[in-house]
Amino acid sequence: DAKTTQPNSMESNEEEPVHLPCNHSTISGTDYIHWYRQLPSQGPEYVIHGLTSNVNNRMASLAIAEDRKSSTLILHRATLRDAAVYYCILSYSGGSNYKLTFGKGTLLTVNP
Amino acid sequence: GAVVSQHPSRVICKSGTSVKIECRSLDFQATTMFWYRQFPKQSLMLMATSNEGSKATYEQGVEKDKFLINHASLTLSTLTVTSAHPEDSSFYICSVIPGGYEQYFGPGTRLTVT
Repeated sequence: DAKTTQPNSMESNEEEPVHLPCNHSTISGTDYIHWYRQLPSQGPEYVIHGLTSNVNNRMASLAIAEDRKSSTLILHRATLRDAAVYYCILSYSGGSNYKLTFGKGTLLTVNP
Repeated sequence: GAVVSQHPSRVICKSGTSVKIECRSLDFQATTMFWYRQFPKQSLMLMATSNEGSKATYEQGVEKDKFLINHASLTLSTLTVTSAHPEDSSFYICSVIPGGYEQYFGPGTRLTVT
């Protein structure tokens, strides 16, 4: 599986934007970029995914570099409820059932 | 998205006993479910892929005779930890893929083996 590299931790202030980076220099042309987050003692939650173009949904935006070797998850206005571990994961898009390989993720702390 | 439940949310069992964890897809018929394990302060690790009506596919290093998976219906998969030992104490999480690329996870089951 292609690997991703994320900072161990980041800090943000409430109501400010947060940019969470992810490097995936060995990504292949068929790999989707997924972001999940996990609040303490809960199962992970889907955030967003993309292939080549930038993506927006109600939770966040995903900015993908032109060469696809990196991406950034953008939370437009952080809230205390956004404090979680954020995982950037690559998943092969060729099959019909996608296994996810979780790395260590980025622990996001949101200060009031 | 899909709604996934797990039962129990917490369980404590004695060493040597077996414990069953249920994963239910409440609003979606899931032919495939995934089981993960997460030790404290570590990331999730995929244990197996549960396939409705057929045998589960286990990841390398996961003992299939110790972690029995049954996916007897489109809405229920069970994970049985047999002859549990303290090192099996972990957070067990299941997930489903309703369609497309998003995976939806259950709330997890905290297993403590004493």
